[in-house]
Amino acid sequence: DAMVIQNPRYQVTQFGKPVTLSCSQTLNHNVMYWYQQKSSQAPKLLFHYYDKDFNNEADTPDNFQSRRPNTSFCFLDIRSPGLGDAAMYLCATSRDRQGVFVEQYFGPGTRLTVT
Amino acid sequence: AQSVSQHNHHVILSEAASLELGCNYSYGGTVNLFWYVQYPGQHLQLLLKYFSGDPLVKGIKGFEAEFIKSKFSFNLRKPSVQWSDTAEYFCAVNGDNAGNMLTFGGGTRLMVKP
Repeated sequence: DAMVIQNPRYQVTQFGKPVTLSCSQTLNHNVMYWYQQKSSQAPKLLFHYYDKDFNNEADTPDNFQSRRPNTSFCFLDIRSPGLGDAAMYLCATSRDRQGVFVEQYFGPGTRLTVT
Repeated sequence: AQSVSQHNHHVILSEAASLELGCNYSYGGTVNLFWYVQYPGQHLQLLLKYFSGDPLVKGIKGFEAEFIKSKFSFNLRKPSVQWSDTAEYFCAVNGDNAGNMLTFGGGTRLMVKP
């Protein structure tokens, strides 16, 4: 089945130690998103790629970076994780059709713990 | 900026009870509306969506939602809930000025007692 895959599902890192989360998709969608979801809160968009074009949300901290080396893969890099960055990180994809918005498909998420 | 409000943070129902979860958004333009569900330990899944046309949309698992433009609302309903409907439900909106951006509500955690 076509899907959005996130690895690892659980990640533990130390305060200040860089960490990378990965997302891959077999849907061949041109748009990929990274969301942060803290406990009992709504997913919050961090950034998205429209093809290779990177779009950063205004309030996304500089500590968060992203890479999309090809259509299928997208990475979230947290350069110096703080305790406040502990959260579920969700990857999502969508296929943009001539500017018409369509639904997003979500991966299972990576739960990040910062010690 | 768009915002989405889900006023019920926690709902507890008995099996076979009827469900209505409220969702209101703030944006005066054209919107696309969604309800996502997140079962315990699972990823967000699309329940239903509204883009245009009939304001009463039917989704999976017997859920439906009604878009009332004058009230800026998109409430989710199910006539008879089951224990397996226990999950967190998120309303989301994409406005025509928002490109690819989806704005989520805070979520409603539903517990259905057997």
